[in-house]
Amino acid sequence: NAGVTQTPKFQVLKTGQSMTLQCAQDMNHEYMSWYRQDPGMGLRLIHYSVGAGITDQGEVPNGYNVSRSTTEDFPLRLLSAAPSQTSVYFCASRVTGTGSYNEQFFGPGTRLTVL
Amino acid sequence: GQQVMQIPQYQHVQEGEDFTTYCNSSTTLSNIQWYKQRPGGHPVFLIQLVKSGEVKKQKRLTFQFGEAKKNSSLHITATQTTDVGTYFCAGGGGGNKLTFGTGTQLKVEL
Repeated sequence: NAGVTQTPKFQVLKTGQSMTLQCAQDMNHEYMSWYRQDPGMGLRLIHYSVGAGITDQGEVPNGYNVSRSTTEDFPLRLLSAAPSQTSVYFCASRVTGTGSYNEQFFGPGTRLTVL
Repeated sequence: GQQVMQIPQYQHVQEGEDFTTYCNSSTTLSNIQWYKQRPGGHPVFLIQLVKSGEVKKQKRLTFQFGEAKKNSSLHITATQTTDVGTYFCAGGGGGNKLTFGTGTQLKVEL
């Protein structure tokens, strides 16, 4: 199993550009999520999904869109990049059980810089 | 909303010294998880605590969940250079979301 994969590993954007961060998992996990990690702020949840066709907002959703057409894929779209979105983005997945009681498996991350 | 704070933010120790990081939630938690992130890497799950007052051990690592289920700690005995990284707690509030703490960065010097 490849686990959780993310592409690209690094990306530089100009302000106003749009792009999609890709995330895929081969563990048949129903729950997938996107986090951003900034120095001193831990990991903050952007969006999450409990299954294909179902998405919901986390604590910092503004400026990001997601969709979940398949169990395997959960892309994150930046609509109009801003310097404040410079961050490291992690995708994670887990088995959907009761609440948040299952360990999350994280991808290797995408380092995004917005100029 | 739920907030989870961790202290200290940074910790420098000499190899062989002990290390403790503390996690405090603004609300009662249903569960708490701990993750380790090596420099340049991604978070990796260490353990989960669910019961009030629960204590779990993994070799030199001891994890505790407070009686009120609002705080937790991770203690490492006799640190080694392989312990270097950032340790995060993540609290569940009963729904589908986990709220991550701010993390404690551990550096171990020989």
